[in-house]
Formats: sequence, structure tokens, C-alpha cells
Amino acid sequence: EPEVTQTPSHQVTQMGQEVILRCVPISNHLYFYWYRQILGQKVEFLVSFYNNEISEKSEIFDDQFSVERPDGSNFTLKIRSTKLEDSAMYFCASSGLTGGSNQPQHFGDGTRLSIL
Amino acid sequence: GESVGLHLPTLSVQEGDNSIINCAYSNSASDYFIWYKQESGKGPQFIIDIRSNMDKRQGQRVTVLLNKTVKHLSLQIAATQPGDSAVYFCAENTQGGSEKLVFGKGTKLTVNP
Repeated sequence: EPEVTQTPSHQVTQMGQEVILRCVPISNHLYFYWYRQILGQKVEFLVSFYNNEISEKSEIFDDQFSVERPDGSNFTLKIRSTKLEDSAMYFCASSGLTGGSNQPQHFGDGTRLSIL
Repeated sequence: GESVGLHLPTLSVQEGDNSIINCAYSNSASDYFIWYKQESGKGPQFIIDIRSNMDKRQGQRVTVLLNKTVKHLSLQIAATQPGDSAVYFCAENTQGGSEKLVFGKGTKLTVNP
């Protein structure tokens, strides 16, 4: 069964450093997402991406964050200058063989980001 | 504003019993709901979804019920097994073209042998 894959599984970074989280969505999906989950809390939406541009973003997704689909398979989340409060699990998801809302989003197993 | 909440943070059942996990949502504009299962160290795993034009949907050993009148969603798991132990989240999507899922806090289901 096709799945979303994320690398690395765990990333440890010094505060103030840049970090790039990588994702390979399910092939032929059209919509891509990043969510995060701080330990013990709810999963929170960060950003959605469709047709090579951001379609929606949350208040969390400020100027320190950016997303990119550099080729036909990868989808990345970059945090330019990490802060302690960026420590969380970051999940990538994809959906939509045909596009549109009301499609199940399928998640990867996440990258645990630890900021020191 | 948008919010999805769960009535119980933990649920403990005996193996073989049926489990019912509840979810309350406050956004009447939500028209699509998903239940996810999250095992330790893993990402949310899709279980079942339901659209607002339905009130019941069945899968393999799972049933989702939607009551739009009281804005309540439930997940029923039949013949619960130890492998069902996990945290279960409901998530909602609001109509109007938004792709964002709003997640609830989660219910931890423990299945005792």
C-alpha cells in the first residue's frame, strides 16, 4: 500500500540554525500538508500546498517557515532560524487523487525535531 | 471558532468487548469528518471518514456515527483487540474549500487481555 515517507525520523538542531524536513508524498496525490504535534497536545495544521503554491496556512506558519516541492516527488518544510518552541513532531500528509476537499489525508510517521 | 473536542481522554476495555469513542465538534459548517488512529511513535493512520450528508458509515469492525443535530461523532470498534490500543483522534474539515483538518485532543484506548 502506498505511503507517505518522511526523513529524518529524528533531527536535533541548535537554536537559531536552519532545518529542512523532507517528505515524499503518495505518488499522484495533488495536495500536500504539514502538521505539527507538540508532545502531549493536538495535531495542528501548518500549511497546505497545491499546484506548486501555498493554498492555506495557519498563524503558526510565520515568515520563519517555508515549503517547497523541488521536484516531482519531494515536499520539504524549512525552518530558517529555529526556536526552542519549534520542538515537536512534524507530520507530512498528502491527499487527493482528483483534487478538491473532502478527501482523506494520509500521514507519514513524522520527524521528531528537537531544538537545543 | 473551530474546535473539536473529546469527552474522555482515556478508555479502557476488555479484549473482545466493543469500544465507543466519542467526539464533540463545535463548527456547524464542518462537512467532513475523519477518525485517525495513532500508535506510539507513528503518524495518524486513517481509519474511516464520513461526510455530513450521511449519519452512519461502516468499515471493517468499525462504524462511525454522525449526529449533526448535537454535533457529535462517535467511533465504534467491534470485538476490540490488543492491536487496537492507541490514541484515537477525530478531525473535521470545514466546507468552503479549506483543506485544513482540525484535530481533537485524542482518546487513549487501552485494551486489556
